[in-house]
Amino acid sequence: GQSLEQPSEVTAVEGAIVQINCTYQTSGFYGLSWYQQHDGGAPTFLSYNALDGLEETGRFSSFLSRSDSYGYLLLQELQMKDSASYFCAVKGGGADGLTFGKGTHLIIQP
Amino acid sequence: EAGVAQSPRYKIIEKRQSVAFWCNPISGHATLYWYQQILGQGPKLLIQFQNNGVVDDSQLPKDRFSAERLKGVDSTLKIQPAKLEDSAVYLCASSIDSHYGYTFGSGTRLTVV
Repeated sequence: GQSLEQPSEVTAVEGAIVQINCTYQTSGFYGLSWYQQHDGGAPTFLSYNALDGLEETGRFSSFLSRSDSYGYLLLQELQMKDSASYFCAVKGGGADGLTFGKGTHLIIQP
Repeated sequence: EAGVAQSPRYKIIEKRQSVAFWCNPISGHATLYWYQQILGQGPKLLIQFQNNGVVDDSQLPKDRFSAERLKGVDSTLKIQPAKLEDSAVYLCASSIDSHYGYTFGSGTRLTVV
């Protein structure tokens, strides 16, 4: 099976930078994904890392280290609208669908 | 492009009743997923379809849950009979194939009382 660990809650200040970490255990790893979900909303796809290194998309970046079974999501120039839950997810272990972590609730303070 | 459509948006039923949820994926998306999201947790995969065939239903409680995707387009998830612990948001997602990011629908919030 698979398991993912991420902090349950992170607090940051508007305009700052925040990093959300994710460690995972899975066999047959195919990639690490990140999703954002606002309260009452649908999860939306943010990024996908299949290979080691940093992927940048605007204010958001995602990093993967397969040897450490570790990844993180980096959010820069934080805005109040970034207040949401962020989920890391992996595909692997013989399953074709994504397995999600429990999510990190990001609180942005003015 | 139109997103993933789900209905109903909310549903309240009594335990032991039955309920059905409907999902219409993005046109051309071959892969369709149903996820269950309990409050405060991440989505949990229930079933995955590739066109109209089941790829993975290992986490679907088959004694009470069933799903179908006729003609490889829209899909229905049914619960019969419902239990209190089935209270959750049921999310449908689709993707071009399983290697791409998913597009989720807004979900159906089910409350079993």
